[in-house]
Amino acid sequence: SQTIHQWPATLVQPVGSPLSLECTVEGTSNPNLYWYRQAAGRGLQLLFYSVGIGQISSEVPQNLSASRPQDRQFILSSKKLLLSDSGFYLCAWSPGTGGTDTQYFGPGTRLTVL
Amino acid sequence: DQQVKQNSPSLSVQEGRISILNCDYTNSMFDYFLWYKKYPAEGPTFLISISSIKDKNEDGRFTVFLNKSAKHLSLHIVSSQPGDSAVYFCAASYSHKYIFGTGTRLKVLA
Repeated sequence: SQTIHQWPATLVQPVGSPLSLECTVEGTSNPNLYWYRQAAGRGLQLLFYSVGIGQISSEVPQNLSASRPQDRQFILSSKKLLLSDSGFYLCAWSPGTGGTDTQYFGPGTRLTVL
Repeated sequence: DQQVKQNSPSLSVQEGRISILNCDYTNSMFDYFLWYKKYPAEGPTFLISISSIKDKNEDGRFTVFLNKSAKHLSLHIVSSQPGDSAVYFCAASYSHKYIFGTGTRLKVLA
């Protein structure tokens, strides 16, 4: 069966510090991978998605970036965190077959920028 | 531009009654629709989905209805239970992209 991992679960960082959140998927090949953010009291905002290694699509311009160095690894980064980057970050995957695929989420990372 | 909207931020229902959650979308390119349940500090859990070629899909206590002409979908939960209390998100998908609504907080009162 497929599983998706995210770490860390919780992170407190000062403003201006760098960020690296990691997501890995097991039990599948060539998944589509996604990063979302849920700000306090808000919905799920799609940040980035990737349909293959090195292929990143950005949905919202911001100081965050994403990379996919391996087939089942997706990394969310920032060089300098802002207060507004605080939120709950979710990684998700869907089968890379296209069409009507279900998307599955990881457990999330709670990021607090102080 | 909010392509997927859940206009009711909250809903309270008595235990045993039916819960109806609504979702509207604007983009006619969407061809797959999903509902998720989410608890605080956890990832969303997939509940049920429907393809744009169907108008109804049922799974146990959960039924999703799709009205393409109105660009509207709804989730019906029969025999609502306190354990159903959570935030419910609808999502719409096309071409590998999934767009989520802002969620509806369902509270089932015992």
